Parts: sequence; C-alpha cells; structure tokens
Amino acid sequence: AQSVTQLGSHVSVSEGALVLLRCNYSSSVPPYLFWYVQYPNQGLQLLLKYTTGATLVKGINGFEAEFKKSETSFHLTKPSAHMSDAAEYFCALGYRSGYALNFGKGTSLLVTP
Amino acid sequence: DAGVIQSPRHEVTEMGQEVTLRCKPISGHDYLFWYRQTMMRGLELLIYFNNNVPIDDSGMPEDRFSAKMPNASFSTLKIQPSEPRDSAVYFCASMPVVGTDTQYFGPGTRLTVL
Repeated sequence: AQSVTQLGSHVSVSEGALVLLRCNYSSSVPPYLFWYVQYPNQGLQLLLKYTTGATLVKGINGFEAEFKKSETSFHLTKPSAHMSDAAEYFCALGYRSGYALNFGKGTSLLVTP
Repeated sequence: DAGVIQSPRHEVTEMGQEVTLRCKPISGHDYLFWYRQTMMRGLELLIYFNNNVPIDDSGMPEDRFSAKMPNASFSTLKIQPSEPRDSAVYFCASMPVVGTDTQYFGPGTRLTVL
C-alpha cells in the first residue's frame, strides 16, 4: 500500500530561521514524491517533485527536498523562512507517472516575526 | 493561460438538495482529477479521468456522488441528495500528458450543506 505521513500538523518558525517539514512514505515500488503548497483560500501549487535521477530536488521560492530511500523520507527544507512562506504544505506520493496522488494530512507552517 | 477554472467558488445549500460543481481544465491537459478536502480526512481523491474517460472512481464516497466529463474542456461533480457531511472544499486539478507528473489545481469550491 502507498501512504504518506507528515510529522507535525503545525510547525512554527521565526522569520529567518530554517524551515524543516517532515515527510515519510511507504511504497512497494519506486515512488514519485511531491510537495505542494496551499495558501489560504487557494488551490494547491507544486513546489517541487522527485521522480527519478538526482535525489536533491530544488523547487520554487527557495525550497528543496532530498529523497532518502534508506530512510523512506522526503523532507522539505528552506534555509531562511519568510513571512510569505506561511501556508499549508502537503507531501504527496504517486507510484507511476503521477496518475493519482496520495496526499499527506498537511503541515501548517507559521512564521513569526 | 487562465488555469483551472471552478464554479461556483462558494455554494450553500440545504440538506436534500442537488449540488453541481463545475470544472474547466487547462486546455490540452489529458487528465482531470476531483479531490475533496476536509479537516478530518485531509485531501482525498474522488475520481479521475483520462481523455474524458473515468479511470478510477474508487474514492467516490457513495452513490449520491457522480462525475461526468462530456468533453475535454468541462467536467461536473454532482451530489444528489446532499447531506451536511458533504460540506468540504472540492478541488479540480488537471494534468498534461504522461511524463510531466504535475497536477494543476483550481481554486476550489467551498460547499456548505445546512
């Protein structure tokens, strides 16, 4: 079975601090992994994705994530948080060509001044 | 490009009424997905289409829900009759041909069933 677990439903960081949002997955086949961001009252927007190749993936707005097969993880990081990063972040798992995605429950990121 | 368009953005209805949500995917996209988002269950895939054909509807909660895609530029999700537990935000997403993997989401329809 394919599943995604996001650790921490709420994360709070200070402006300028490191952002780390955790995602672990379970998959019996090579996974496709995604991070999406949702701003209030908006739809989801792709931040970055891993399908094959380089395990360190860079996305928009300074975010990056590293696929670690041995740890079954795909954590999202950003060196320095901005106030505009406050949003809901979703990790998602696909198992072939991104047809259908299993989404995690989401992590709400709060950035404090 | 206008992106994925959903209408209405907000819908308030009474229990027992029929509700129809509409989606216009991005032109040229072959895949269309319907999701439901609630606080309790998070984001759930309801159904998705490829070239207007339903591929997987295992996420549709029950017979009260139905979805159609009569052509490449339009899809509907219908709930009949509606119940308070159907209150949620419903998202439509589209995706271009296989290989790009990125789904493009619409702004969602917030449904409230009283």
